[in-house]
Amino acid sequence: DIQMTQSPSSLSASVGDRVTITCRASQSISSYLNWYQQKPGKAPKLLIYTASSLQSGVPSRFSGSESGTDFTLTISSLQPEDFATYYCQQSYSTPLTFGGGTEVEIK
Amino acid sequence: QVQLVESGGGVVQPGGSLRLSCGASGFTFSPYGMHWVRQAPGKGLEWVAFIRYDGSNEYSADSVKGRFTISRDNSKNTVYLQMNSLRVEDTAVYYCAKDPLSYGSGSWYFDYWGQGTLVTVSS
Repeated sequence: DIQMTQSPSSLSASVGDRVTITCRASQSISSYLNWYQQKPGKAPKLLIYTASSLQSGVPSRFSGSESGTDFTLTISSLQPEDFATYYCQQSYSTPLTFGGGTEVEIK
Repeated sequence: QVQLVESGGGVVQPGGSLRLSCGASGFTFSPYGMHWVRQAPGKGLEWVAFIRYDGSNEYSADSVKGRFTISRDNSKNTVYLQMNSLRVEDTAVYYCAKDPLSYGSGSWYFDYWGQGTLVTVSS
């Protein structure tokens, strides 16, 4: 199975901050990496697919990038509605696997 | 708009069975593969199973293989998860999720999710 390691597991940030979350795959997954946002008590929401494609309706302050087996989700200017938990997920092979999540909290 | 509504969750004893349903609306259901994903209380996300748009192939996680079966009825716009031999560690919110690829073997990610249904396995 492909292991997805997310870091950090949590972070505190202020509105307006630039936030970066990293996800590392245990082997090459090409660009088959997706990012989700989940708020408490709600279903996850797709933000980014295939490493850097923005899902329709998602604000442009969200972006994704890749470098080898390392993937990054960046929020360019954190907004109050962005406080949530973020998960990466590889879609390269089954079983599909997720990172452990990054909780973004208000500083 | 796309809507996925899960039902069938509840409390069941270890070793018992439960069938979850997920009704789809707001899009043409039959061309799309469908997934089940679960989340144990306070934990992360775990993919459970996938079924192709035409029901010709299914895939599942090792943790549920031989116990859970995914199926679909395109005439009813519904996907199911039959769960047998339930264990305490199967306790979770179960989400159904839509695959974005039509008429294919799946893109293997999730563009729309339902609100989830809670399954509690406890004696």
